[in-house]
Amino acid sequence: AAGVIQSPRHLIKEKRETATLKCYPIPRHDTVYWYQQGPGQDPQFLISFYEKMQSDKGSIPDRFSAQQFSDYHSELNMSSLELGDSALYFCASRATSGGQRTQYFGPGTRLLVL
Amino acid sequence: AQKVTQAQTEISVVEKEDVTLDCVYETRDTTYYLFWYKQPPSGELVFLIRRNSFDEQNEISGRYSWNFQKSTSSFNFTITASQVVDSAVYFCALSEGNRDDKIIFGKGTRLHILP
Repeated sequence: AAGVIQSPRHLIKEKRETATLKCYPIPRHDTVYWYQQGPGQDPQFLISFYEKMQSDKGSIPDRFSAQQFSDYHSELNMSSLELGDSALYFCASRATSGGQRTQYFGPGTRLLVL
Repeated sequence: AQKVTQAQTEISVVEKEDVTLDCVYETRDTTYYLFWYKQPPSGELVFLIRRNSFDEQNEISGRYSWNFQKSTSSFNFTITASQVVDSAVYFCALSEGNRDDKIIFGKGTRLHILP
């Protein structure tokens, strides 16, 4: 079965640089979520989109922005990167039809800021 | 406010032993969803189970079983006859029943299965 695809899988950036993470949800999933997991931490919700509109916002820094496109893929744009942004970034997707509540996670993008 | 507490930070057991991971949750919603996810050393988050607040039926899936008790706000996870491949971090998680259904994770329990 198709899973959530995230690219790139690994990314190394310098401080103050920008990064763009991409997420391709499971086919027919209309909702996308972004989570950030720092080293040794639990995943923290950043932002979500439903039908290309932002549906909820968590502890996402102002330096970050995200959007969902017409094909339902999503991109997380991160600017002025800081050392503390080094983390594993997960995208998850779910289908809202049929009362589905389970979010399926992608493999994550491991970002290292030097 | 919603909260998930996994009191066990780290557990080590010898292979073939049974092990139970505890999870206690807090929510004001009457409709909510509970999850367990497994995160092996490779880093991905693997969905294990979802339970709806209106369904207290316990579940068994192979060597895995889950005990959901609304009276104590607990959703515990037991691995029977543990195997080395079960070594991972296990997260208990909660989402509420409204449209904005972000998942709140517990801090995770790191499980070591020793050969």
